[in-house]
Amino acid sequence: EPEVTQTPSHQVTQMGQEVILRCVPISNHLYFYWYRQILGQKVEFLVSFYNNEISEKSEIFDDQFSVERPDGSNFTLKIRSTKLEDSAMYFCASSRQENEKLFFGSGTQLSVL
Amino acid sequence: GQNIDQPTEMTATEGAIVQINCTYQTSGFNGLFWYQQHAGEAPTFLSYNVLDGLEEKGRFSSFLSRSKGYSYLLLKELQMKDSASYLCAVRPSGGSYIPTFGRGTSLIVHP
Repeated sequence: EPEVTQTPSHQVTQMGQEVILRCVPISNHLYFYWYRQILGQKVEFLVSFYNNEISEKSEIFDDQFSVERPDGSNFTLKIRSTKLEDSAMYFCASSRQENEKLFFGSGTQLSVL
Repeated sequence: GQNIDQPTEMTATEGAIVQINCTYQTSGFNGLFWYQQHAGEAPTFLSYNVLDGLEEKGRFSSFLSRSKGYSYLLLKELQMKDSASYLCAVRPSGGSYIPTFGRGTSLIVHP
């Protein structure tokens, strides 16, 4: 079965540094998402992306965050200047259509020191 | 806004049946998901209910009552590998289709 892939699986960074998390959504999917999950807490929506632009974002997704689809396969999340509270598991997801189920990648565990 | 409630933790015995409930209050409703999440892993899709009633898929079934804002996930013939978090997520209507997740129910299956 096709799957969403994410790299790296773990990322450790210093506070204030920029990080880029990478995702390859399922190839025929049109909608892409980033969610995050702080340890012990619920999965929280960050942003959705369709047709090369952000379609929706949460209040978590402030000016420190950006997303990009640099080519036909990759979908990236950039955190410009990381804070301690950005430490979380970041999940990329994709869906074929807006009202269909989401397929999640295996996540990137981000640790900000 | 959206409010999704699930029990925090449940325990059950291998071979038994367990029902995990989810209640929700949302601004519009377009469907309800159940996902399974093992510790440190990604959520994996179990079911998606849009209409009222019970949907069965092997050992797992999911029920929805839209008028009551209520769903449950039923797991039969429990196995040790079913120990995981079970996430209820509601898809709203009226402009946004983004699923919002509840806090999840941690299910512990013991021998």
